[in-house]
Amino acid sequence: DAGVIQSPRHEVTEMGQEVTLRCKPISGHDYLFWYRQTMMRGLELLIYFNNNVPIDDSGMPEDRFSAKMPNASFSTLKIQPSEPRDSAVYFCASRSGNSPLHFGNGTRLTVT
Amino acid sequence: AQKITQTQPGMFVQEKEAVTLDCTYDTSDPSYGLFWYKQPSSGEMIFLIYQGSYDQQNATEGRYSLNFQKARKSANLVISASQLGDSAMYFCAMRRIYNQGGKLIFGQGTELSVKP
Repeated sequence: DAGVIQSPRHEVTEMGQEVTLRCKPISGHDYLFWYRQTMMRGLELLIYFNNNVPIDDSGMPEDRFSAKMPNASFSTLKIQPSEPRDSAVYFCASRSGNSPLHFGNGTRLTVT
Repeated sequence: AQKITQTQPGMFVQEKEAVTLDCTYDTSDPSYGLFWYKQPSSGEMIFLIYQGSYDQQNATEGRYSLNFQKARKSANLVISASQLGDSAMYFCAMRRIYNQGGKLIFGQGTELSVKP
């Protein structure tokens, strides 16, 4: 079990650029979640998928954020255009049924 | 709506002593689960322990136990025999359980520092 794999681990970009974060969930897990962590707002759920279908995207801050899950083993979170206030650690997590959520190591995004 | 409250931003404990981290919650769902996660300074989120709302006994996992008081809507984490490696942020979280759905909502966290 390789765990949830996120890439890149660190991303530094300039304001206005497009950013794409990637996630490979644990094989066999049917739920995938994207969270954002900041000092001010803590851990916020952005969106989650069940069987590759988006279920709840009410946490997505605005239209600059989009997430896709084209298949069971891959998901992306895209920010276009990025802004300094998007700087945060972005976590991907997955689970199977009612099992606990397993988190990736996160992507630390810095937008200058 | 669901809500998790952790009222202790920071806690100190002496090595080898026990410590209790507080968590209260609010939900209208009859079936829910409560979780604790540990986040060391390296940043990863580590699952520690789970308690179901219908579980009759308090959950235990090694040195971790969950003091579940349903009527008071509290789910405190107890760490026995603290170790230096226990220094980390600890998050309480909750989600509904029925239909296997439900998003995990987190509290603001408690930073635990273990003193040698």
